[in-house]
This record gives sequence, structure tokens and C-alpha cells, in this order.
Amino acid sequence: AQTVTQSQPEMSVQEAETVTLSCTYDTSENNYYLFWYKQPPSRQMILVIRQEAYKQQNATENRFSVNFQKAAKSFSLKISDSQLGDTAMYFCAFMKNNAGNMLTFGGGTRLMVKP
Amino acid sequence: NAGVMQNPRHLVRRRGQEARLRCSPMKGHSHVYWYRQLPEEGLKFMVYLQKENIIDESGMPKERFSAEFPKEGPSILRIQQVVRGDSAAYFCASSLGLAGSTQYFGPGTRLTVL
Repeated sequence: AQTVTQSQPEMSVQEAETVTLSCTYDTSENNYYLFWYKQPPSRQMILVIRQEAYKQQNATENRFSVNFQKAAKSFSLKISDSQLGDTAMYFCAFMKNNAGNMLTFGGGTRLMVKP
Repeated sequence: NAGVMQNPRHLVRRRGQEARLRCSPMKGHSHVYWYRQLPEEGLKFMVYLQKENIIDESGMPKERFSAEFPKEGPSILRIQQVVRGDSAAYFCASSLGLAGSTQYFGPGTRLTVL
């Protein structure tokens, strides 16, 4: 079974600064997918970014980028130029490379962006 | 651009009553997943369905919980004889079902059992 660990329950960052959220996972799979989802106070789950394990290049989406270290089983999220609207819970998630597979989520990191 | 729809958004039930949660997947998606989020926790997988089939129910409690996705209409998660421990947010997600397909989530149903 896969496990996903987010070791930082809470973090804070000043507006316009950069913050990195940590995620590690445990799996015996070689091919898989990793995701970061954001859950703002509205509780809607919003996809932030995804990474295919077979790709060495780190995924980026505007101000969001990941540092994917496959050997270390680490998948951190970097948020640049933090904005007040980035305040949310952030969940790291793992998916095996099979059709229709479930997501396994970490426990989440609560991020507060301060003005 | 209709996303995943869930209703109701909030549901209050007394102990022993039944709860029915509905989910309509994103247009073009025929694969539906249900997850449960207890307070201050991450989401936990419950069940994966395709039209008229339950594919994986490994995360479903053995009793009182059932799910369906009929040929016509939304997917339904049914909880019979609810107990206080069932109070949680229930999220539905849909995808194309291909390997690595992104799952898109609905807004969730917050169930409160009195």
C-alpha cells in the first residue's frame, strides 16, 4: 500500500515571499503520478499541479512549481510570489499508473499568507 | 463549463436516519470516485464506480454504506442508519478513467449527524 506524508501541519509566509511545502511518499511502484490539490476555506478541492513519475523535468504552473526527487520519494511544492488567495489547506496525493486508480492523500499542510 | 456537481451541499440527519448524497460527473466523464474527509484530516478513498458497475469498494465500510452509478442519472452514496461518526465532508470526483487521468472534484457534501 502507498502512504503519503506531509510533515508540516501548518506554515505561514508573507505576501510576495516564496514558500515550500514538503511531501514524501512510500511506494514500490516505478510508474505513478503525483498531485498537489488546494482546499481553500470554501472546501472545494482544486488541482494545483501534477507530475508524471517517468518525467525527469519538474512540472510548473505559473507561480507553482515542484521539486520531484524520485530516488528520495520526495515531491515538494514551491509557491512563488505568494498571494493572499493562496491561503488554504494543501494536499499532496499519489496515484498508481493503472486505469481508474484512486488517489492516496497526505494529511495536509495549512498555509497562511500574511499581508 | 459544468464541473462536478454534488447535492445537497449540506445535509443534517438524526441518528438512525438515512443519508443520500448525489454526484453528477463532469461532462464526458464516466468514472466516479467517492472520498470522505473527517475534520482536520486528508481525504480517504471510499469507492470507485463506472456506469452500472462498482469497480473498487475497498475503502467502503462493510455495513450501512452503499454506492451506485446507474445508467441514467447521478451517482448516489447512501448511508443507512447514520451515526455521529458519519459526520464528515463527502467528496465526489470524476475522471476519464485512463491511467493517470486527473480527478476533478465536486464541492462536497457536509453531513452532520445530530
